[in-house]
Amino acid sequence: ILNVEQSPQSLHVQEGDSTNFTCSFPSSNFYALHWYRWETAKSPEALFVMTLNGDEKKKGRISATLNTKEGYSYLYIKGSQPEDSATYLCAFSSGNTPLVFGKGTRLSVIA
Amino acid sequence: NAGVMQNPRHLVRRRGQEARLRCSPMKGHSHVYWYRQLPEEGLKFMVYLQKENIIDESGMPKERFSAEFPKEGPSILRIQQVVRGDSAAYFCASSPRGGTSSYEQYFGPGTRLTVT
Repeated sequence: ILNVEQSPQSLHVQEGDSTNFTCSFPSSNFYALHWYRWETAKSPEALFVMTLNGDEKKKGRISATLNTKEGYSYLYIKGSQPEDSATYLCAFSSGNTPLVFGKGTRLSVIA
Repeated sequence: NAGVMQNPRHLVRRRGQEARLRCSPMKGHSHVYWYRQLPEEGLKFMVYLQKENIIDESGMPKERFSAEFPKEGPSILRIQQVVRGDSAAYFCASSPRGGTSSYEQYFGPGTRLTVT
């Protein structure tokens, strides 16, 4: 059974702080790692899809790195804003298989 | 360009009734995925469909649950003889291409099913 772990479970930061959180996944048979952002009362929204070891992707103040050999990905948010408050989900695939989601990291940015 | 649509947004059923959840993918998307989120749990894959075909139903309970994605019309997730344990949020996602998990998925707003 594939297991995807996200830490921390929740996080409170002050506006302007930078923050990061972790997604751990099995290091064997890696295929793809997805990050999604899920605001309350909205739908999950895709941030990144990463497929190569060492990949680094960026969208505005949000970036992600990928280490497939050790089985982790970091999501970074630079200069957090209240509108960044959301649950951040990662999802892993080991090949031509469905995505396995973590439980998410719930971020609250306090103004 | 409308996103993924799901209806109803909220559905209340008594034990033993049937629940039908609908999902219209984004325009141009022919790959649909259904996920379930139980209370305090993450999103769990149920079934992956392409037009008129079930590609992977490994996450779907063997009994009472079925899914279809006809040539015309929305994808339907059907739960027969619902029980209290079926109470959950059901999300649909679509992608323009499938076959692998290297394409991002676009999610609908979900249907919250409550079984009384």
